[in-house]
Amino acid sequence: GAGVSQSPSNKVTEKGKDVELRCDPISGHTALYWYRQSLGQGLEFLIYFQGNSAPDKSGLPSDRFSAERTGGSVSTLTIQRTQQEDSAVYLCASSSRDFTTGDEQFFGPGTRLTVL
Amino acid sequence: AQKVTQAQTEISVVEKEDVTLDCVYETRDTTYYLFWYKQPPSGELVFLIRRNSFDEQNEISGRYSWNFQKSTSSFNFTITASQVVDSAVYFCALSETYMNSGNTPLVFGKGTRLSVIA
Repeated sequence: GAGVSQSPSNKVTEKGKDVELRCDPISGHTALYWYRQSLGQGLEFLIYFQGNSAPDKSGLPSDRFSAERTGGSVSTLTIQRTQQEDSAVYLCASSSRDFTTGDEQFFGPGTRLTVL
Repeated sequence: AQKVTQAQTEISVVEKEDVTLDCVYETRDTTYYLFWYKQPPSGELVFLIRRNSFDEQNEISGRYSWNFQKSTSSFNFTITASQVVDSAVYFCALSETYMNSGNTPLVFGKGTRLSVIA
């Protein structure tokens, strides 16, 4: 399809395990964002990629969280040693980074992570 | 610092009523963008509108309209003749500009849950 895709759609893991979440942005979109949506915190920014570089990682909550992007396309968000407070929906968005039109971000369906 | 406030946590209306969702923002930038997104029960965020800080014209799209007022730092969203399909969580968001490198990530309000009852 033409939209942002994310996998898996649901992930249940045990506390202490590592997880990887994947995002496929819209083809040609140079900017990619990860957000987290949880009941207590609403929608929070995690990290921003421009191409393969991450100029803004300010939202990553701890050093257990990391992300990479390869080929200016697919991105993987990795959470090490998961904790129960990591349970949330992880959303990915991409944009064309068109300065003149305001960088509209298109969101994927999200990955629902549950840490038992 | 950026901040978006949606004071209304939940709103319930009867079908065909008009409803306004409030959004107040804070920013130090002179160039910024405001957005509204809809999140239906399916969970996916759907883009509704973007406004830049230099364009204060109100906008109407079908039953939806938006009122941007810089003087009060507000960007309110009105649904006219609401329908059951409008039931969703609506998020207002703000984006500023990195120096010469596009727009900052979105800062979202907490959202307003709208329930339209038949």
